[in-house]
Amino acid sequence: QPVLTQPPSSSASPGESARLTCTLPSDINVGSYSIYWYQQKPGSPPNYLLYYYSDSDKGQGSGVPSRFSGSKDASANAGILLISGLLSEDEADYYCMIWPSFAVFGTGTRVTVL
Amino acid sequence: QITLKESGPTLVKPTQTLTLTCTFSGFSLSTGAVGVGWIRQPPGKALEWLALIYWDDDKRYSPSLKSRLTITKDTSKNQVVLTMTNMDPVDTATYYCAHSFEEQLFDYWGQGTLVTVSS
Repeated sequence: QPVLTQPPSSSASPGESARLTCTLPSDINVGSYSIYWYQQKPGSPPNYLLYYYSDSDKGQGSGVPSRFSGSKDASANAGILLISGLLSEDEADYYCMIWPSFAVFGTGTRVTVL
Repeated sequence: QITLKESGPTLVKPTQTLTLTCTFSGFSLSTGAVGVGWIRQPPGKALEWLALIYWDDDKRYSPSLKSRLTITKDTSKNQVVLTMTNMDPVDTATYYCAHSFEEQLFDYWGQGTLVTVSS
């Protein structure tokens, strides 16, 4: 079963941007899959943020601010979640996911707002 | 308004079978492109997907757990049931059910239920 690798932690100051990566194994081409992103705060279930396949095929979760956006880095074979204008409430764990006929979650990144 | 709620035992013994029920409202599992999935999370660890059932009874399972899992739906009761056989302490986790529609996978989640496996 494939593993999506995410850095364990990331930190930034309020107002800055946080760029989270989700690296796919080399035998899975990021260009072929939508990348899903979820936010999870302590003691709460995950919250769906968005999915990104391409600039013309993407979707935002209900009520999710446009500060959260997705993209891909083909050279790194990775999905990207960009959080712009970081707020203290963005402090949480973030998980990516792909669906190659079954769901595979990433290892998760804890975002700290300094 | 879409809501989901998980229910089932909080404690099971090793080797027993776990049965969890997801009761939902705000959508129908007879509507095209709708699905309900199960995801678990051991304490302090990452999310792990288990299974998903679609409106047309198409079922998908985690390859690593497929032999132990069964997912079914009761459209009339708005429920999805997951059974997991041969439970082990490593299966201790919070189990979530979640809604999917078309390409929006797991866009609504239940609050989760903590299942502890211990003798």
